[in-house]
Formats: sequence, C-alpha cells, structure tokens
Amino acid sequence: DIVLTQSPGTLSVSPGDRATLSCRASQFLSSSYLAWYQQKPGQAPTLLIYGASTRATGIPDRFSGSGSGTDFTLTISRLEPEDFAVYYCQQYGSSPNSFGQGTKLEIK
Amino acid sequence: EVELVESGGGLVQPGGSLRLSCAASGFTFSRHFMYWVRQAPGKGLVWISRIDGDGTTIDYADSVKGRFTVSRDNAKNTLYLQLNSLRGDDTALYYCGRAGMFTLGGVIATPIDFWGRGSLVTVS
Repeated sequence: DIVLTQSPGTLSVSPGDRATLSCRASQFLSSSYLAWYQQKPGQAPTLLIYGASTRATGIPDRFSGSGSGTDFTLTISRLEPEDFAVYYCQQYGSSPNSFGQGTKLEIK
Repeated sequence: EVELVESGGGLVQPGGSLRLSCAASGFTFSRHFMYWVRQAPGKGLVWISRIDGDGTTIDYADSVKGRFTVSRDNAKNTLYLQLNSLRGDDTALYYCGRAGMFTLGGVIATPIDFWGRGSLVTVS
C-alpha cells in the first residue's frame, strides 16, 4: 500500500507570501496519479490539482503542483485570505487509494 | 450542473447497520467511477472505496473490507454504501465523490472532481 506523508503538519504564512507544501509517497508513484485538494471548515474538499501539475477547472494560477517519483509539492504564490485552509494530497493510481494526513495552512 | 446528495446517515448502535445513498445528477452517471471517502470529526480524509462505471470493479480500504459494500444503480443514478458491523471508529462524515475522467498522456486520471456535502454516521 502507498502511504502519503505530508509536511509540515501546520504552516504559518503571511498573506501575500508563498507557501510550499510537501507530499511524500512511500513508493514510486506515477505523477499522473497524484492530486491535491483544499478543504475549508464545514465544507467538502475541492479539487485543485491532478496529474501532479494540472490545475482543475477554475483554479487560479497562483496554485501550482510539481514533483515526480516519491516527492510532490503544492505551491501557492501570493497567498490570499481565502487560501488559508487544510490541504490534502491523494494518490489514485493503486489500490487501495490513499490520502495524506493533511497540512493546515494558517495565517501568520 | 453536477450535484451529489448523500442521505441515510444517523445514529446507530455498535454492531448495527446503515445504508447510505448518493443521488447523482447533471452528468452521465454510468460513465464515471465513483468514490466513498470519510472524515472523522476533526480528522483528515480517509479513502473508503472506489467503484467503476458498470459496478464490476470495486476496491475497498482494508479497514472496511468485509464489513462495507459499495454498489450502484445506473438506472437510478444512485451510488450506495452498505455499512455492517459498525464500530465506534466508523463514526464520521461520509462523502461520495465523482471521479473525473481526465486523459493525461494516454492515461486516464481519476481524481475526485465533485463531492457531495456528506452524510453523518454516528456509532454509539
């Protein structure tokens, strides 16, 4: 089974700054099968990125994904107030699928 | 407009059963894989299951295998999750999700592109 480990658990960043979130897989993962989601309190998650680097429909270009193999990154440039939320990575390429434990992005 | 609406949650005693439904609209249901994901109060997302478009291939998380059963009725545009032998650690908000069917260099990528609002299951 592929285990996804996200770091850090909590990230404190100021609005307008850049945030870099990490997702590490326990074994090789094709980049086609890695997604990132955003979840705000009381809401269902929203798809941000799939295929490690392809933005979902309607997602602003300040969100970008990168990485390959076992190391993947979500970068949010120029943080807006609405970006402070919890972020999850997911692999959907092998069974069982899995999510990382999440990174909480909070206002510094 | 794509819409997913879960129902059937509630309070159940340990060892009991529930059936959740997810009514889908706004897209051709039979063409999409579907997911169940749960989230315990204050915790992260946990993948439960994925079912293909015609219901012939179903994968489960080890934590629910043998206790939970996923099915779908494409004529009714509805996804189901049968929960049996429920335990306290099954208490969670259960989301259904639609798998987007994106083509990436010859590969079909199936992230969850639409989510329902969830149905709360409390085992106590």
